Amino acid sequence: EAGVTQFPSHSVIEKGQTVTLRCDPISGHDNLYWYRRVMGKEIKFLLHFVKESKQDESGMPNNRFLAERTGGTYSTLKVQPAELEDSGVYFCASSQGNPSSYNSPLHFGNGTRLTVT
Amino acid sequence: EDQVTQSPEALRLQEGESSSLNCSYTVSGLRGLFWYRQDPGKGPEFLFTLYSAGEEKEKERLKATLTKKESFLHITAPKPEDSATYLCAVQAGSGGSNYKLTFGKGTLLTVNP
Repeated sequence: EAGVTQFPSHSVIEKGQTVTLRCDPISGHDNLYWYRRVMGKEIKFLLHFVKESKQDESGMPNNRFLAERTGGTYSTLKVQPAELEDSGVYFCASSQGNPSSYNSPLHFGNGTRLTVT
Repeated sequence: EDQVTQSPEALRLQEGESSSLNCSYTVSGLRGLFWYRQDPGKGPEFLFTLYSAGEEKEKERLKATLTKKESFLHITAPKPEDSATYLCAVQAGSGGSNYKLTFGKGTLLTVNP
């Protein structure tokens, strides 16, 4: 089965510009998550979709970040306008059900490395 | 607030030299504790889920154990290909729809031949 796919793998933009990250989850996985790792810190939760609905967006840092999952398939995460502190690696993950349920762990993509200069 | 602390931050072993990684956690109602392996430039790769104190799981040279306060990842006779960052994460029990994982910073394991 194909894994979680993220695009682009790297993005370098200037402060004030806009960037859109894309995630294609594993087919059939209703749950899609965005996480972020900034340098020197742990991976942190941003938000969780169930199909096309935002179930939990408690980790979104501010209103410069907008996540969408139209049609309940792929998801996009837009940062507008980007700031220096937004630099980091953005991971997308998907799961069939609750991560703590048997045989339903989170599967991660390889991430998008975002550098804001 | 849920917290996960991993130690040591980095560990260097000789091939065949067994050791353990530690993950201490504070969480309100543990639903699951997860171990992941992450290689450079890749996303975390799932290893184990542990649910309750006393539980153990094994996969090849890795064995994960769980107590009420911490988890250990034991590595027996490691090989160079076991070199990676090992991440621990917890899922809290507050709310049936809480699927959020809280991660530790990880332990960077290097196994020298």
